[in-house]
This record gives sequence, structure tokens and C-alpha cells, in this order.
Amino acid sequence: GAGVSQTPSNKVTEKGKYVELRCDPISGHTALYWYRQSLGQGPEFLIYFQGTGAADDSGLPNDRFFAVRPEGSVSTLKIQRTERGDSAVYLCASSFGTQETQYFGPGTRLLVL
Amino acid sequence: AQSVTQPDIHITVSEGASLELRCNYSYGATPYLFWYVQSPGQGLQLLLKYFSGDTLVQGIKGFEAEFKRSQSSFNLRKPSVHWSDAAEYFCAVGVNSNYQLIWGAGTKLIIKP
Repeated sequence: GAGVSQTPSNKVTEKGKYVELRCDPISGHTALYWYRQSLGQGPEFLIYFQGTGAADDSGLPNDRFFAVRPEGSVSTLKIQRTERGDSAVYLCASSFGTQETQYFGPGTRLLVL
Repeated sequence: AQSVTQPDIHITVSEGASLELRCNYSYGATPYLFWYVQSPGQGLQLLLKYFSGDTLVQGIKGFEAEFKRSQSSFNLRKPSVHWSDAAEYFCAVGVNSNYQLIWGAGTKLIIKP
């Protein structure tokens, strides 16, 4: 079937604005993950969902970041009062379970001006 | 604290030559280890993984990796590279029951014709 999809592919916003990034996981995958990748670095864990609940959100950098997965499928990462330092590629992954391979989407490139 | 080190930021090899990309990790428990490849505009793709058992792991696209517990290493190898292998390669270790991946900074592979 289809892989993990993320929209938008690119997002340019102004400092202080609110943004939402969407992730559509592979059908049937119960686990969903968000990572952030800054230029020249490896991805950094943000949050992990098992079903509808956030099982571990310890990687979210501060309370401006929030993520939801209300029906256990699509997830939205929400960033309030964006800052220039939030500029990065936001990656979403999904898997059947935590012991299984994480499959990644193409990412959303966020640029905060 | 858990960490992954990829000591080479860039590696240049000639097409047809052999390749070895280095990865060292720091993790107290038995690690889950991964190599992913990231091509421009594409998502991270799993090359291979080690969970347990045989320490020499075969992956896709002719890649293999060897887990050496005594050296805390998981180096990636390929006997003969192709121009299409040019990409960025990331090593990762799975922690917290494998739902959280800790990533190295990546090694960019450049292929000389």
C-alpha cells in the first residue's frame, strides 16, 4: 500500500505564527512517531503515539509544541508562536509496533522567517 | 546517556570500490541497531537492522553490517558501490523498548565516476 505521507511538503511562515503539520501513516500501523531534523544533523525524537495516546512526549522541546492523533491514524504536529529556531525538517514515521521497523515519510520542511 | 557517533561527515569513493561507513554507539543494554539511507527529496529508508542473533546482517541494495559488542560498533559495508548509492547514511540505536531511535549525525557518501 501507500507509504507514510506528510503535508505540506514545504511550509514558510513568519515568526510568531501558528503552524500545523500533518502525517498520514501506513494503514494498520498503530505506532506513530515524530522526529525533527536540523540541517547537518540526524533526526531527533519528539513524540511517540501508541494508538490515540501519546505514550512518550519527552522529546518535545517546550510547551509551544503539541501533537494529536485523535482517531489513532492521522496525526497533527502543532507549533504555536513559531521561532526561527524551529526551522527544520519534521519527519513522521509509523510502524506496526515498537519492535517493528519504522517507516518514514518524506518530511515537511519548515522555514520560519 | 545514549549516543551514536558517525565519525566521518563525508566519504568519497570511486564507483566500483568497496565501502565501509563507521558507527559507534553508547548504550547500556543490548542495542537494537539500524542503518537508514536518505536520498535528496526522499524519506529515510531502512537498509538493515540488528535485533539479535547473527552479528553479520544482510540488507537491501547489497549492504551488510557487522555488530561488534566489544567495540560498540555497527559498521556498514558494501563490496562495490554504484553511482546510485550516493546519499546520506544514518546509523541509529533503538532505546526505550525500541520506540525511540537515537541517531548519528550522518555520513554523506560521494561517488567518483
